Amino acid sequence: GQQVMQIPQYQHVQEGEDFTTYCNSSTTLSNIQWYKQRPGGHPVFLIQLVKSGEVKKQKRLTFQFGEAKKNSSLHITATQTTDVGTYFCAGLYNDMRFGAGTRLTVKP
Amino acid sequence: DAEITQSPRHKITETGRQVTLACHQTWNHNNMFWYRQDLGHGLRLIHYSYGVQDTNKGEVSDGYSVSRSNTEDLPLTLESAASSQTSVYFCASSLGLGDGYEQFFGPGTRLTVL
Repeated sequence: GQQVMQIPQYQHVQEGEDFTTYCNSSTTLSNIQWYKQRPGGHPVFLIQLVKSGEVKKQKRLTFQFGEAKKNSSLHITATQTTDVGTYFCAGLYNDMRFGAGTRLTVKP
Repeated sequence: DAEITQSPRHKITETGRQVTLACHQTWNHNNMFWYRQDLGHGLRLIHYSYGVQDTNKGEVSDGYSVSRSNTEDLPLTLESAASSQTSVYFCASSLGLGDGYEQFFGPGTRLTVL
């Protein structure tokens, strides 16, 4: 079925280390969105990628969309304690399907 | 300011009871969605609506129903609550679907079915 697989499920890093989460789909996506959910909060939109091979940056965050539009990644450079939370990708098929999320914890 | 609200924020109910969770948005968005969030499963789509009188089943729709009588509201009803429906429920809305249409999420409702 239409499903977005996201790995890893958990990631614990030391402050200042880099972090990457990956999403993969078995079928081509129309677009992919990324959301962040702080502990106890609700998902908040970060960015949308639409074009094959697209790369977008937001300060220390870099988002990539694969050439085949089947995979995407979010990379955070030099993590900070404010980056703590769960990061979700969401792929557009006939409807939006979310990955299971990657929970990031950062040790100061 | 435009917003999306959910009520109640917390609910405890018993198995077999009918429960309705409210979602109200003032963005004037066409699209509204209901998700449930469980550990290890991320956000799973229950039902969604692209406009008044339109409703569609999502990935995990069994045991749930919705109705859309106006633009602002999409209530979610659990016809006969089951313990497997204990979860955190999020409502979301978006202006459209596709390019550039982010979803705005409500604060969530934590439902416990005993």
